Amino acid sequence: NAGVTQTPKFRVLKTGQSMTLLCAQDMNHEYMYWYRQDPGMGLRLIHYSVGEGTTAKGEVPDGYNVSRLKKQNFLLGLESAAPSQTSVYFCASSSRLETQYFGPGTRLLVL
Amino acid sequence: SQQGEEDPQALSIQEGENATMNCSYKTSINNLQWYRQNSGRGLVHLILIRSNEREKHSGRLRVTLDTSKKSSSLLITASRAADTASYFCATGLGTGGGADGLTFGKGTHLIIQP
Repeated sequence: NAGVTQTPKFRVLKTGQSMTLLCAQDMNHEYMYWYRQDPGMGLRLIHYSVGEGTTAKGEVPDGYNVSRLKKQNFLLGLESAAPSQTSVYFCASSSRLETQYFGPGTRLLVL
Repeated sequence: SQQGEEDPQALSIQEGENATMNCSYKTSINNLQWYRQNSGRGLVHLILIRSNEREKHSGRLRVTLDTSKKSSSLLITASRAADTASYFCATGLGTGGGADGLTFGKGTHLIIQP
């Protein structure tokens, strides 16, 4: 049981490049979330999904898109990366609307 | 906007001592959760307390909730070096208790001195 996994672990992008972060969970959870964490800050919600095929905006959605084509996967896309998107990205999943299980994070540096 | 704010921002104690950290929040909640984050790692859920509960225990952890003051505290007893981490309180962003995601404070960075 791997829990929540994230790919890649670390990535460097140039301004304007695009990339996709992959989150996978093997706990059959309905709910999945993408957060970002900046230095000295708590996590902020980017987008979330309450089920396969559904997505919704969180607190800081601008510059990101998401897709939930399969229940176990939640993709976060950056179409045109900006230095302000340098951050650590965490994916989480939940089954009962309460406790969330987090992945190990993806460190993204945009130059 | 961040709902919860932890206090203190940083706390350093000797191994074996108790550590207390506090969280204040702004709006009414269904529940409040505490998470731990070790350096460079993902968050790990510690404990959840519902709005109709006043106190909850889990091993060496004790959480209290005062909805009239919109505050919560996390007590770690008999601290160990492995407790060195950042601790965050979190509340639900929407009215679903967390289904719409969580909002986190900036955390308390706890250092346990050997």
